[in-house]
This record gives sequence, C-alpha cells and structure tokens, in this order.
Amino acid sequence: EAAVTQSPRNKVTVTGGNVTLSCRQTNSHNYMYWYRQDTGHGLRLIHYSYGAGNLQIGDVPDGYKATRTTQEDFFLLLELASPSQTSLYFCASSDAWGGSYEQYFGPGTRLTVL
Amino acid sequence: GDSVTQTEGQVTVSESKSLIINCTYSTTSIAYPNLFWYVRYPGEGLQLLLKVITAGQKGSSRGFEATYNKETTSFHLQKASVQESDSAVYYCALGAASSGSWQLIFGSGTQLTVMP
Repeated sequence: EAAVTQSPRNKVTVTGGNVTLSCRQTNSHNYMYWYRQDTGHGLRLIHYSYGAGNLQIGDVPDGYKATRTTQEDFFLLLELASPSQTSLYFCASSDAWGGSYEQYFGPGTRLTVL
Repeated sequence: GDSVTQTEGQVTVSESKSLIINCTYSTTSIAYPNLFWYVRYPGEGLQLLLKVITAGQKGSSRGFEATYNKETTSFHLQKASVQESDSAVYYCALGAASSGSWQLIFGSGTQLTVMP
C-alpha cells in the first residue's frame, strides 16, 4: 500500500524564519507534489517533480522553493516565511502523470507563521 | 480556467440517514475531465474514495456513489445510510490539462459530521 510520510506534523515559526517541510514516499512513485490548503479553498499545487533533481512549478509557487533529492524525498523550503504562508501543507505522490492516476497523500503539516 | 465548487462547507447528518454532498465543475481545458472524490479522515492524508472517467457512468465505493453528469456538470456524492465512521472531510476533484500538463483541481471540501 502507498505510504507517504511528512515531517514535522506541526510547525510554528516567526515572520522571516526559515522552514523546511519534508516528505518521503516508499512506493517508488515517479511523481511527487506539494499542495497547500486554506479554509475556503481547495488544495492548491505549489510545486511538483517527476524525478530526482527535477522541479516543476505549480499554481501558487511564490515564496516557495522545493527540491527532490532522491526518488523518495521531496522538500519544501520557505526561506523568508510570512504570515500568508500559514496553512496546511500536503505532500502526495503518484506513479504517473495523468488525469486518471490516483495520488497518494501524506497526513499533512500544519504551519503557523507568527 | 478549470474549477470545482462544493457549496456546503459543513454537513451534519444523523446516523442511518441519507447523505448528498454537492459538487459542480467547470472546465475550459478539456471536454471530458476525469472526476474524483477524495476523503480525509481525522489525522490522516487524503485517500481516493472513487473516480469516474466516463461521462454518464457511476462510481461506487464503501456504500458511496457518484454519477458523472455532463449535462449539469455535476458529480454529487450520495450514500443511502451513513455511519458515524463516515465523519470526515470530502473533496471533489477533476483531472484536467493545464498549460500542457495534467493537474488535479480540488473543491474546498465538505466536512461531514455524523451524529449517533
């Protein structure tokens, strides 16, 4: 069964702080994604990757960097965190990229920027 | 652009009663998008509940059903008799092509609370 883990599960930082969110998947999936979810909005795609060293820009990339170091590991970096980045962040993976492929999600990281 | 609308942010239903969660979609990038329902139980990630990739077809899983209606651009989720264990957040989503690549476009989610 697909397994996606995220750490930390909760994080509090201050404005201007440096934050790294981690995601690991153990299914040998090619694609990995970072989403954010805010009240009243659906999940919105920040960045995604189709393999180690690859990075693609999603719909809401401003203020975020990401890096895919291995097939398993995908990191989201907030180098100068702002209160507008307070959100629930989900990582996901899928075997392929297409409209019918299932994505497998991690449990989420709740980030608060004071 | 493409969008998904879930009008109810929260729904409360008594156990054993019927449920409908509304979902409508709009798409300009693809004539026949793939449609999904995902569910998020407390403390867990989203997981696929059901999907339908052909207009007019019905998907079902765990007692839930949804019919892909292209005429009304709807994909409502229904269940005849809910259980307390169904309490969760339900997300409608469509798979669409945008700028040459596929994306999942999510609705804002509906929090279902089933009262014993």
